Amino acid sequence: QLQLQESGSGLLKPSQTLSLTCAVSGASISNGNYSWNWIRQPPGKGLEWIGYIFHSGRTHYDPSLKSRVTISVDISKNQISLRLNSVTAADTATYFCARGMKVWGQGTTVTVSS
Amino acid sequence: QSVLTQPPSVSEVPRQRVTISCSGSRSNIGNNAVNWYQQLPGKAPKLLIFYDDMVPSGVSDRFSGSKSGTSASLAINGLQSEDEADYYCGVWDDSLNTWVFGGGTKLTVL
Repeated sequence: QLQLQESGSGLLKPSQTLSLTCAVSGASISNGNYSWNWIRQPPGKGLEWIGYIFHSGRTHYDPSLKSRVTISVDISKNQISLRLNSVTAADTATYFCARGMKVWGQGTTVTVSS
Repeated sequence: QSVLTQPPSVSEVPRQRVTISCSGSRSNIGNNAVNWYQQLPGKAPKLLIFYDDMVPSGVSDRFSGSKSGTSASLAINGLQSEDEADYYCGVWDDSLNTWVFGGGTKLTVL
């Protein structure tokens, strides 16, 4: 059974870099042609798509975040990663990873505060 | 302001039927497949409907989806108290070149 588990930096100061990992179990990232996505949800607000990566390394990002975002894949560890530079309070959110926008992880909360 | 428009809230009594609408445009709903998600309080979104009207294995058949033109709908039959949640529609937008979501609809079972 496919499971995704997010983890990473929970508390950041403004201007720091957010770094999260999504560990995949129950399936290999290199099998199938799935997009591996990052989505976030600010407290009390709706869902915001951040971007995706395929196992080939092909990426696509939301234009509003493109200048600050990097999504990468590590086939050997069966995980994907998210880096978001120069964070502000507006980046405070729960961050989810999802395969093909269908199977989601439980999410991890990131707070940006001075 | 979300690209997809959903009613902020709907309510209905148990055992009745409720529908949630999602209005978009030709570049998103009009041209691509819609997903629907259920988000219980404090939980991650869960896929309810994919490809407009397909129900994933393990999801109750009380949930159904439909689409016409640039609008999509989620219907829930036989409402139960455990259906109280936020519901989101989502779809790829060819013009924005990004995945877009509706603002979410809070369902209250009276």
